Amino acid sequence: GIQVEQSPPDLILQEGANSTLRCNFSDSVNNLQWFHQNPWGQLINLFYIPSGTKQNGRLSATTVATERYSLLYISSSQTTDSGVYFCAVEPGSSNTGKLIFGQGTTLQVKP
Amino acid sequence: AAGVIQSPRHLIKEKRETATLKCYPIPRHDTVYWYQQGPGQDPQFLISFYEKMQSDKGSIPDRFSAQQFSDYHSELNMSSLELGDSALYFCASSFYRGTEAFFGQGTRLTVV
Repeated sequence: GIQVEQSPPDLILQEGANSTLRCNFSDSVNNLQWFHQNPWGQLINLFYIPSGTKQNGRLSATTVATERYSLLYISSSQTTDSGVYFCAVEPGSSNTGKLIFGQGTTLQVKP
Repeated sequence: AAGVIQSPRHLIKEKRETATLKCYPIPRHDTVYWYQQGPGQDPQFLISFYEKMQSDKGSIPDRFSAQQFSDYHSELNMSSLELGDSALYFCASSFYRGTEAFFGQGTRLTVV
């Protein structure tokens, strides 16, 4: 099956710093989503981005489907950005919408 | 805006007991997904339903079953619970398969 790899696995930043999280996938995808799991366990939608670039405030994401990767940019990080960031893909061979998650990037933003 | 509603939020069961988790999708969403997230792990797909029919199946134990009802809510039934079933169980919904999925707050199941 498809492999989803995220890097780095862990990231520690000072408040105000910028960061880039990467998601590589081994096969074609129909759908790609980025989520933030907060310390209470909630999975919060960040982007639905099977291709192209989107921006939402301090966050932006780019997916280059032909090269099988996606990037999540966080600018001017805040302590509330801490948590785990997941990339999840729907394999191109699927037509059911199921998502395969990467192992996540754990971000800690220090004040 | 309405979100995916899961109940209960927390559940403690003893080994070999049964548990039923409920999921109410976002209004007009016709597709429901169930995921299991163990401690320190990423969510794993269990099963999905589209228009009340099972549409896909992942690594769901035979002890688990699920269905989607006429009002589109879904229930995950778990029998003969084991310690290893302790996890966070998420339900997600989407309007049609493969569009953006939205997750509920999860049910934290603890088996003792």
